[in-house]
Order: sequence, then C-alpha cells, then structure tokens
Amino acid sequence: DAKTTQPNSMESNEEEPVHLPCNHSTISGTDYIHWYRQLPSQGPEYVIHGLTSNVNNRMASLAIAEDRKSSTLILHRATLRDAAVYYCILSPSGTALIFGKGTTLSVSS
Amino acid sequence: KAGVTQTPRYLIKTRGQQVTLSCSPISGHRSVSWYQQTPGQGLQFLFEYFSETQRNKGNFPGRFSGRQFSNSRSEMNVSTLELGDSALYLCASSFGGSGNTIYFGEGSWLTVV
Repeated sequence: DAKTTQPNSMESNEEEPVHLPCNHSTISGTDYIHWYRQLPSQGPEYVIHGLTSNVNNRMASLAIAEDRKSSTLILHRATLRDAAVYYCILSPSGTALIFGKGTTLSVSS
Repeated sequence: KAGVTQTPRYLIKTRGQQVTLSCSPISGHRSVSWYQQTPGQGLQFLFEYFSETQRNKGNFPGRFSGRQFSNSRSEMNVSTLELGDSALYLCASSFGGSGNTIYFGEGSWLTVV
C-alpha cells in the first residue's frame, strides 16, 4: 500500500486557518486520498476525500497537487473542537484503510 | 439517520476466553470493516466483509475472525484471548465502492485480564 508522510504535530490558534500537509509520492492512479480525524476515546470521524480535483465540504477543503504526490487539508477557521489527530490515508479500495500515526493538531484560544 | 452501532461498548474478559463483538452498519451499507486500535500499534485493519463475503484481510492471526449476515450486520470473534488483545475495536461501514465515504462506530473497548 502507498505510504503517506505527515508531521507529527501542529499548533494553531482559534479562528485561524490551518493547513495540514500530507506527502504521498508513491500514490497510484486509483488511490483515493482520505482524511479522518480522531478525538480521544472516540472512533475516527470522516473529514473529506478526493481523487484528483480539489474538494470542499462543510468541514474542510482538500487541495490536491497537480501531480497528486501531496495534498493539504484546510480547516478554514480552527475551533477548539478541531483539536484531534488527523490521518491522511491512501486507499484504492476505499474499504481497507491503512492508518499511519497522523498529525496531532493543538488549537489554542 | 442512525450511525454505525457497536455492542457492547465495554467488556472485560479473562485470558484464554473468547469474545464476540457486534456491529450494525448504517442502513443501506453493504461493506463492514473492522479495525483494532492499541497505543503501541495504532489503528490496524483487521478485515472487511461485503455482501456476506470477506473481501479484504489484514495481517492478524487466525484467532481473529468475522462474519456478515444477510442484513449486513457483522460480528467479529477473537478466540483464546491474550493480554495483547486488549484494545479498542472499531467497526466501519460504507456502500462498498472505492470512492464511498466510510463511517466509523464509537468502538468496543476490550480489556483482557
């Protein structure tokens, strides 16, 4: 399975935008890019996913590089509730997700 | 609509026993997958069922098994429990296509003593 590389941790302030990077240089043409986040003692929560084009939903935006070797999850205005571990995952099947260690996002007021 | 429901939420078992965990997927979803989360190994994929057939399998010993029923509900079983099986077991469901959204349940916390 193609691997992803994410920073271990990032910090942000409330009300500011957050850009969470993910590198996936070995991505294949059929790999979807999925983002999930997880709060302590809870199951992962779906954030967004895409294949080639940038995607937007009510939670976030996903910017995918033209060569698809990297992507960025954008939280437009961070809140304290956005503090979580964010996982960037590649999956061709969409059903067997291989999680890495993710990025722990801290949000300060 | 109702989310992915897992039962029981918490349980304690003794080493050597077996355990069965249950998962009810979101209505209409035909794919159910299972994951194990431990502090040391993180989130690991166990297996996935689609229309009652195992479609994908992770790298776990044969003590870990599962099944899916005709109504898409799924169970996973762990036999001969070991202390290292203590973990959060997560179930996820989707329609089953490669671009579909996957939704997770809150998990079942298993403690083996």
